[in-house]
Amino acid sequence: EAAVTQSPRSKVAVTGGKVTLSCHQTNNHDYMYWYRQDTGHGLRLIHYSYVADSTEKGDIPDGYKASRPSQENFSLILELASLSQTAVYFCASRDRGVDTQYFGPGTRLLVL
Amino acid sequence: GQQVKQSSPSLTVQEGGISILNCDYENDMFDYFAWYKKYPDNSPTLLISVRSNVDKREDGRLTVFLNKSGKHFSLHITASQPEDTAVYLCAAGIASSSFSKLVFGQGTSLSVVP
Repeated sequence: EAAVTQSPRSKVAVTGGKVTLSCHQTNNHDYMYWYRQDTGHGLRLIHYSYVADSTEKGDIPDGYKASRPSQENFSLILELASLSQTAVYFCASRDRGVDTQYFGPGTRLLVL
Repeated sequence: GQQVKQSSPSLTVQEGGISILNCDYENDMFDYFAWYKKYPDNSPTLLISVRSNVDKREDGRLTVFLNKSGKHFSLHITASQPEDTAVYLCAAGIASSSFSKLVFGQGTSLSVVP
């Protein structure tokens, strides 16, 4: 089964600070995704990538940047963290030609 | 707007009964439909999925029904068990696209009670 790990698992950040969430997958999947989960909203797509060194905007990209330096790694960057970015963030990966997305354990971010 | 919508935020079912979870979507181009299960403080995992070339798929106690004309799909869980208690997320996407991404519903919290 696909192995997707995320770090940190939880983080407290200050408003206006920079936050980097990291995701690592070990299954040579081409596609990687960043979602946020909020009560009442399910999962919403922030950024995704289908190849290293390239990222695409998802449905709610404002306030976030993404970086895919290698096939295995996909980072989500909050340059100026805001209170509204308090949420649980999930990373996922998917192999080309296969529909199933495999999710990491999530990162709980609290912005104060 | 919300492209994929689960109108029921919660559902309570008696143990042994049938759980029916519903999902509506807006985009005619969607050709892939999935249900993910999520326990509290855990990550979502795929339960079952279908492509648009079928209108029903069974897997054990799980059945997905797809109604393309009505832009609706549902998950039926027969003989519901307490371990089925979880949040169920429906998702839809365009599998045939190179820029494939999923749109998730808000989730339905299912409680199976004795």
